[in-house]
Amino acid sequence: KAGVTQTPRYLIKTRGQQVTLSCSPISGHRSVSWYQQTPGQGLQFLFEYFSETQRNKGNFPGRFSGRQFSNSRSEMNVSTLELGDSALYLCASRPTGTRGSPLHFGNGTRLTVT
Amino acid sequence: AQSVTQLDSHVSVSEGTPVLLRCNYSSSYSPSLFWYVQHPNKGLQLLLKYTSAATLVKGINGFEAEFKKSETSFHLTKPSAHMSDAAEYFCVVSDDPGRDDKIIFGKGTRLHILP
Repeated sequence: KAGVTQTPRYLIKTRGQQVTLSCSPISGHRSVSWYQQTPGQGLQFLFEYFSETQRNKGNFPGRFSGRQFSNSRSEMNVSTLELGDSALYLCASRPTGTRGSPLHFGNGTRLTVT
Repeated sequence: AQSVTQLDSHVSVSEGTPVLLRCNYSSSYSPSLFWYVQHPNKGLQLLLKYTSAATLVKGINGFEAEFKKSETSFHLTKPSAHMSDAAEYFCVVSDDPGRDDKIIFGKGTRLHILP
């Protein structure tokens, strides 16, 4: 099985712009989660989608949004970019309904805001 | 409420010596516990998981962890460190109350291997 695929791998944007990141989960996985990772704050949960519905949400401003499509692929959007949004954004998928199913991570999208 | 505490932010060991990365958790339910490893600029890779079967769990690359309910601990060990083990390690707890379980990450432990 192919793993979790995130595109693009690297992005450079300017303050005030918006950006869309994409995540393709492992085939059969219906849950997709997004995380932001920075040296200062560590790994922070953004949101989780399951069957096209947001199931859990972290403590991030409304500039951060996401969606999930019927094929379970997910996108994350950040509007009005700030310098502090520079981070590694990680996507993870897992099957649900199975107790203790682990998250499977992609290699992330490195976003740099200048 | 569930939580995870990784007791050391940095651990340094010499190559060939044992590794111990400590993790304590709290959970209202019977938790599932995981250890992940992250190499620079990569995603997190699952090392091992505990889901209420055997309390001693063996993972990849020679790592293992023991679930101790009385101590609410899930420490990660390896008998002999290798240079390639240098990375950041995350302890994770999942409460799994039905389908809407929350997953909580520890803050990570950076493992340094000295030659």
